[in-house]
Amino acid sequence: GEDVEQSLFLSVREGDSSVINCTYTDSSSTYLYWYKQEPGAGLQLLTYIFSNMDMKQDQRLTVLLNKKDKHLSLRIADTQTGDSAIYFCAENYSGAGSYQLTFGKGTKLSVIP
Amino acid sequence: EPEVTQTPSHQVTQMGQEVILRCVPISNHLYFYWYRQILGQKVEFLVSFYNNEISEKSEIFDDQFSVERPDGSNFTLKIRSTKLEDSAMYFCASSEGGITEAFFGQGTRLTVV
Repeated sequence: GEDVEQSLFLSVREGDSSVINCTYTDSSSTYLYWYKQEPGAGLQLLTYIFSNMDMKQDQRLTVLLNKKDKHLSLRIADTQTGDSAIYFCAENYSGAGSYQLTFGKGTKLSVIP
Repeated sequence: EPEVTQTPSHQVTQMGQEVILRCVPISNHLYFYWYRQILGQKVEFLVSFYNNEISEKSEIFDDQFSVERPDGSNFTLKIRSTKLEDSAMYFCASSEGGITEAFFGQGTRLTVV
């Protein structure tokens, strides 16, 4: 079945760039997403990319998609302490009649002042 | 900005009791979802709902679970006889079409004692 894998932890210094990586298995995925979860809070949609795109940029966020290797990354430029959170990669499993997202376990980003 | 709202934010219930978790999706959205996140684990898909019926459900969504859209605005998840292992954060989500952009609520933390 479909699966999404992420490294569990990432620690960066304030002002540096963070790169969070994700791999997925379902080649029929049409959309891939990044969600942010701050402590005790819900899931905030950060950005998403359609599977026929290679890159999407939105202010400090850059998403890169390598469809051949089924690899997705999220780059956060000029990382701030407010970026400390868990970041979830998710794919849209586009099996016939299916509307479900499959999430990774999340990468906990810690920003050191 | 429109958002998905969930009530209550935290519910404590005794094992064997019925609970209803409530959600108000974004008003022009047509697709509704429930997900859950057991503490420290992945966000897991439970069910999707479209056109007043279930479109897809996971193996977690057994006969103890049901969903309903009782009026034009609310979307509810009922657990008939709660078990200890039902303790989790339950997220409601909605999207305008399919799963182009799924917006999540803040979650309801369900604690079964």
